[in-house]
Amino acid sequence: DIQMTQSPSSLSASVGDRVTITCRASQSISTYLNWYQQKPGKAPKLLIYAATSLQTGVPSRFSGSGSGTDFTLTISSLQPEDFATYFCQQSYTTPDTFGQGTKLDIK
Amino acid sequence: EVQLVESGGGLVQPGGSLRLSCAASGFTFSDHYMDWVRQAPGKGLEWVGRTRNKANSYIIEYAASVKGRFTISRDDSRSSLYLQMNSLKTEDTAVYHCVAEGSGSFFEFWGQGTLVTVSS
Repeated sequence: DIQMTQSPSSLSASVGDRVTITCRASQSISTYLNWYQQKPGKAPKLLIYAATSLQTGVPSRFSGSGSGTDFTLTISSLQPEDFATYFCQQSYTTPDTFGQGTKLDIK
Repeated sequence: EVQLVESGGGLVQPGGSLRLSCAASGFTFSDHYMDWVRQAPGKGLEWVGRTRNKANSYIIEYAASVKGRFTISRDDSRSSLYLQMNSLKTEDTAVYHCVAEGSGSFFEFWGQGTLVTVSS
């Protein structure tokens, strides 16, 4: 199975900050990388698919980059509603696997 | 509006069985691959399995952790997805989400989930 490793596991930041979360795959996955946001008690929400494509309705302050094994999710200017847990997921091969999550909270 | 509504969760003893259902609306269910993804309390996300659509022969795939114990099925006429869970273990305790895939192999639409607790 492909292992997905996110860093950091947790992150404290302030409203207005620029934040970057990293996801590394244990082997090349081309651009089969997706990002999700999850708030407590809620289902995950798709933010970015195919490494760089913004899902419809997601604010443009979210962006994704990378290919191969190294990927990043960037939030250009944190808003109060962005404090949540973020997961990456590879869809290159079955089984689909997720990173362990990055919890983003208020500094 | 897209809706995925899971039902059938609850408390079951180790070794027991449970059947989850997912009712879909607001999109063309039959066109989509459908998945189950679970999340143990306070933990991360784990893919459980998927059923492809008719155009892809309804091929079903499972995670190794559930293969041989869980069975996924779908009924396109009812826009419904099912998960039959047998020989349940304590480590199967989780919220089970029904998920519709987008055309690019991403998890596009999620249900709120149903909690399955395996405990004696």
